[in-house]
Amino acid sequence: QSVLTQTPSASGTPGQRVTISCSGSSSNIGSNYVYWYQQLPGTAPKLLIYRNNQRPSGVPDRLSGSKSGTSASLAISGLRSEDEADYYCAAWDDSLSAVVFGGGTKLTVL
Amino acid sequence: EVQLLESGGGLVQSGGSLRLSCAASGFIFSSYAINWVRQAPGKGLEWVSGISGSGGSTHYADSVKGRFTISRDNSKNTVFLQMNNLRAGDTAVYYCAKAYYGDYTPDYWGQGTLVTVSS
Repeated sequence: QSVLTQTPSASGTPGQRVTISCSGSSSNIGSNYVYWYQQLPGTAPKLLIYRNNQRPSGVPDRLSGSKSGTSASLAISGLRSEDEADYYCAAWDDSLSAVVFGGGTKLTVL
Repeated sequence: EVQLLESGGGLVQSGGSLRLSCAASGFIFSSYAINWVRQAPGKGLEWVSGISGSGGSTHYADSVKGRFTISRDNSKNTVFLQMNNLRAGDTAVYYCAKAYYGDYTPDYWGQGTLVTVSS
């Protein structure tokens, strides 16, 4: 059971906007930055969003992150077939003194 | 360009030991925490351990505490994970992951090394 909670699956059609949520607690999301990763099959995770809503260079602006209280979300607009992947959220947890991950959301582009 | 190259994975019997290495380049190594994150076959990401830039602070997941030891050699830009008393449940791809500055949460990831523990 993951400390951060994500919906196991999400889907959308090309061009649509989808949102992936991540729920935590006051000791992790509530008091620390949230990070988001994309993992394509057979590859290492890739950073999409850091410090709640910042995009690394090379990540398109159709991806955005937000945080409110103990929850965070990743929005992908203008959905493309290449967005089909697993997405994970993560944050530092002050009580556990550990990095905690969500269980991952498998995004399917229909 | 940040590069992280893991090595040392392989097949080991239950109760055995392995030492993973992560060779880093492309950034000021001693300024950043480094993590080990694992992924069991078909499962999600699980943080295993992290070490501060100086090496003076280390953290472990409860699942590995007392069995795994993380260390680093800043003169060689390398981080190690000594894994003892390995169990079947430790079977996973182990990723080395550089932390974002001032945090432990990862930004850059290596390609991973597979550890298989046979029972």
